[in-house]
Amino acid sequence: EVQLLQSGGGLVQPGGSLRLSCAASGFTFSKYAMTWVRQAPGKGLEWVSAVGDSSGRTHYADSVKGRFIIARDNSQNTMYLHMTSLRVEDTAIYYCAKVTRRHDFWSGYGDYWGQGIRVTVSS
Amino acid sequence: NFMLTQPHSVSGSPGKTVTISCTRSSGSIASNYVQWYQKRPGSAPSAVIYENNRRPSGVPDRFSGSIASSSNSASLTVSGLKTEDEADYYCQSYDSSIPIWVFGGGTKLTVL
Repeated sequence: EVQLLQSGGGLVQPGGSLRLSCAASGFTFSKYAMTWVRQAPGKGLEWVSAVGDSSGRTHYADSVKGRFIIARDNSQNTMYLHMTSLRVEDTAIYYCAKVTRRHDFWSGYGDYWGQGIRVTVSS
Repeated sequence: NFMLTQPHSVSGSPGKTVTISCTRSSGSIASNYVQWYQKRPGSAPSAVIYENNRRPSGVPDRFSGSIASSSNSASLTVSGLKTEDEADYYCQSYDSSIPIWVFGGGTKLTVL
């Protein structure tokens, strides 16, 4: 059974940092791209970032470029999202998802999703 | 970047059929696959259609997808409505030149 277990959310002040984790099991983690999608309170889904199967290819939405870093550790079957210079508008539930593609995440889709983790940026 | 525009809400009675549209602002809808996700409050998104018209395993055939070049839009049709279909639905496509995923604003489906 495929499972994605998220951790690391919480309350942080503007300008602060946070690291989200997404621990995968039930599939060969190293053979799939992974992605992060968020949903701000009362808003729709927003794609945040994606990483190819081997960390060599990373991609970001303009809203987080230069502030967030996506990474993966295939030996630990875990993906991360390092978030810095956090803003109030980054407040959202963050979801990780397995993508059906290996390299070209964009043409795939999220077939398995984590439970979501809340990030609140507030003073 | 292009945008995907969805109606804010649609509704239908149990057993009836509803269609949700997703219009691409620029570029051809046919040039990149469209996916549809179901999102219930408190739950993670779940794909109901991928690659325009394909259903993931376990999704009932009451869900179908299509694209129309004439209107540059994609559509999700839900037939035989059930109360459990009540949720927000999001279309998603991509820009391979950047690359990024693009989500529509979401449509709230109410089963009356």
